[in-house]
Amino acid sequence: AQSVTQLGSHVSVSEGALVLLRCNYSSSVPPYLFWYVQYPNQGLQLLLKYTTGATLVKGINGFEAEFKKSETSFHLTKPSAHMSDAAEYFCAVSSSGGSYIPTFGRGTSLIVHP
Amino acid sequence: DVKVTQSSRYLVKRTGEKVFLECVQDMDHENMFWYRQDPGLGLRLIYFSYDVKMKEKGDIPEGYSVSREKKERFSLILESASTNQTSMYLCASRGYQNTEAFFGQGTRLTVV
Repeated sequence: AQSVTQLGSHVSVSEGALVLLRCNYSSSVPPYLFWYVQYPNQGLQLLLKYTTGATLVKGINGFEAEFKKSETSFHLTKPSAHMSDAAEYFCAVSSSGGSYIPTFGRGTSLIVHP
Repeated sequence: DVKVTQSSRYLVKRTGEKVFLECVQDMDHENMFWYRQDPGLGLRLIYFSYDVKMKEKGDIPEGYSVSREKKERFSLILESASTNQTSMYLCASRGYQNTEAFFGQGTRLTVV
């Protein structure tokens, strides 16, 4: 079985501040991990993914995430928030234990204040 | 670029109607998925298909059925729409060579 927990349904930051969105996963086998972003009334767009290899992965729009197996975490960060980063962010896991079907967290809404 | 196209962005249907949500992908992907998105609940899997004419129930299949007659097309059917099926519906596809799923733009369905 696999699951994802996103801590915080809403995160509020000021423009220029650090963005940190938290994700913890559960998987009985090595996971693939993903962060997706959703803008209002749009589908999901892949920000970044971890499959194997380097545990620090970089994505689009200046985001990055680090896979920490010992902490079962895959937190998303960005050094400096921009107004255009305001959106809903979803963490997801897939693995052979789940037939590689993505399982999603409940989402975190990022609010960016000027 | 992978393109997953959902036939409607917005739909309004009446209670009891039969509703079809259509999804087409252009990358010859084997796997296709239907998710439902509700505030605070994230994305929940309704049905998925790993090949033509093959389908598997996801976590919340009640009240829904699916059809996959061609590889590129995966349809979600609400046999008798109810107000509790008002939601955002997201279609996705994934090829065996891919690790991630690719999403359509979503269909926001309102049942009145």
